[in-house]
Amino acid sequence: KQEVTQIPAALSVPEGENLVLNCSFTDSAIYNLQWFRQDPGKGLTSLLLIQSSQREQTSGRLNASLDKSSGRSTLYIAASQPGDSATYLCAVKTGANNLFFGTGTRLTVIP
Amino acid sequence: ETGVTQTPRHLVMGMTNKKSLKCEQHLGHNAMYWYKQSAKKPLELMFVYSLEERVENNSVPSRFSPECPNSSHLFLHLHTLQPEDSALYLCASSQVDGLYGYTFGSGTRLTVV
Repeated sequence: KQEVTQIPAALSVPEGENLVLNCSFTDSAIYNLQWFRQDPGKGLTSLLLIQSSQREQTSGRLNASLDKSSGRSTLYIAASQPGDSATYLCAVKTGANNLFFGTGTRLTVIP
Repeated sequence: ETGVTQTPRHLVMGMTNKKSLKCEQHLGHNAMYWYKQSAKKPLELMFVYSLEERVENNSVPSRFSPECPNSSHLFLHLHTLQPEDSALYLCASSQVDGLYGYTFGSGTRLTVV
């Protein structure tokens, strides 16, 4: 069964710092990987989707990379802002109906 | 409205009550999902509907009963729940097979007393 791990579980950084969130998965036979943001008590907001044939995707200050063979993805956030404070979740898709989630990294950006 | 809409946002119910959660998507997707999110645990897939047919029931107790009357609407009927069922229930939608990603709603925070 696919297992998804996110490290660190929590991260606190000063405003303006660049940071990297990590996601690893045990089964490299994935269709795609999706990064989400979740604010406390709220739903998930999709940030970036990387197909298995792609190496990276970018949206504004966010850049996600995928190394399928090693079972790793990173989410890079440039010039962090207090509004980036949230929990970040990665999810990998394997098979027709299976989307496996990590437990997330809780990010706090200190003004 | 656009995206995936869930109602109600919050629900408190007794163990003997019957209630329903509603999800509506306005994205033209043809697959819908129910997920459960408990504290400090990964999201758990509960049910999957693809082209209005249930294609997955992930060993969910019978006190949870899904219904998908059409490709835009999904319900989760609840009865005789337990306190451990308290969680955030999230609805999602996608194109069949989810190859273009999933879109989630804002969730229903359920508390069973």
